[in-house]
Formats: sequence, C-alpha cells, structure tokens
Amino acid sequence: SYELTQPPSVSVSPGQTASITCSGDKLGDKYVCWYQQKSGQSPVLVINQDTKRPSGIPERFSGSNSGNTATLTISGTQAMDEADYYCQAWDRVVVFGGGTKLTVL
Amino acid sequence: EVHLVESGGDLVQPGRSLRLSCAASGFTFDDFAMHWVRQAPGKGLEWVSSIGWNGGNTAYADSVKGRFTISRDNAKNSLYLQMSSLRAEDTAFYYCAKDIGSLIEGLRGFDSWGQGTLVTVSS
Repeated sequence: SYELTQPPSVSVSPGQTASITCSGDKLGDKYVCWYQQKSGQSPVLVINQDTKRPSGIPERFSGSNSGNTATLTISGTQAMDEADYYCQAWDRVVVFGGGTKLTVL
Repeated sequence: EVHLVESGGDLVQPGRSLRLSCAASGFTFDDFAMHWVRQAPGKGLEWVSSIGWNGGNTAYADSVKGRFTISRDNAKNSLYLQMSSLRAEDTAFYYCAKDIGSLIEGLRGFDSWGQGTLVTVSS
C-alpha cells in the first residue's frame, strides 16, 4: 500500500518560514492536499491540488509538489499557525501522512 | 454555510455493531462525494471510506473492508457508516467530510468536516 512520510515535528520562530515535507514514491505525479488541525478541533483544508488555497486561507500558506516530495510552506509564521499538519494523496484510495506537529516558539 | 453533524458514537463491546450518521446542510448534498475519516485519541488521521455523489461507487480502507459499509440517502441529505464486528482498534473519533468534487477517484480535497463522533470499543 502507498505510504506518505512526514517529519513528526517542526519548530519555527514567529515571523520565520516553516517548511513541512511529505514524501512518497513518485508523489509528484499525484495531487497532494494539506490539512491543518488545531488542538481539539476538526481538520481544515489549507492546500488542495498541490498549490491551490481554498477561500479564507491566508496567503502565507503555499504548497509545492515535485519528484518524491511535497512541501507545505508557511511564510511569516504566526503563533496561530501552531497545529498538526497532515498531507493527503490518492493512490487508488485516499492516503494520509502521519502528521507533523508545528511548534511556533 | 456548510454544516456536517455526526451522531451515533457510543461505547460498544467488541464484536458488536454500530451505525453512524452524518446530517448535511448548506450545500447541494447530491453534487458531492463524501467520506469518513477517523482519528484515534492522540493519533493521526486515518481514511476509512468514501462514496460517490450517487452512491454508485464506494471505497474502503483495508482495515475496515468487509466489516464497514458506507451509504448515503440523498433525499435526506445524510451519510451513514454501518460498522460491524467492531474491534478495540476501531476506537476513534469518526469525522464525516465533504469532497470538493463528485467522484471518489482522484483527489480534489475534503473542504468541510464535521465535529466528529466518538466510538469506543471496549468490554
């Protein structure tokens, strides 16, 4: 079965750029979505189809996908961005990555 | 505004059955594929099942295949998950989620999620 690998944790200082990676075999050939889940809340879609930002998602969130790695980039990271982030792809079925805890300190 | 409300979560014994429901409002329900995603306490997201706009196509995670059945009633704007032969490892919050598109093939994204309903499987 297809697997997506994310780093368990990423730390960033306020105002800096955070990059969260998601790796999978030939991932660049597939569409990737990213979800943000704050503590005690339901997930929120922040990036779909590799690079698209849904309505209401701040411009500081961006995505890329090439080769075997997709990346979620948060520019000018704010304290409110502290959350778990999950990547998602489709390989005959839906697959989620294991999640990355983003700490803003 | 899209609104998804799950219900039916409960404490059940191993081997028993349970039916989850998801009431949808704020959008044309039969235009979109729908999904169930679960999350064990303190763990990551796990996709469970998907159903296309008209219920004609379904898909299941290997971990639930043969035990869970997804269905929808477009006349009632409702999504369901019938769970049988429940195991301790099925303990989780179960979320229903709306797809951006109408088909389960490919991936466009899950753009709305409910608040989740807790299923606990324990003797």
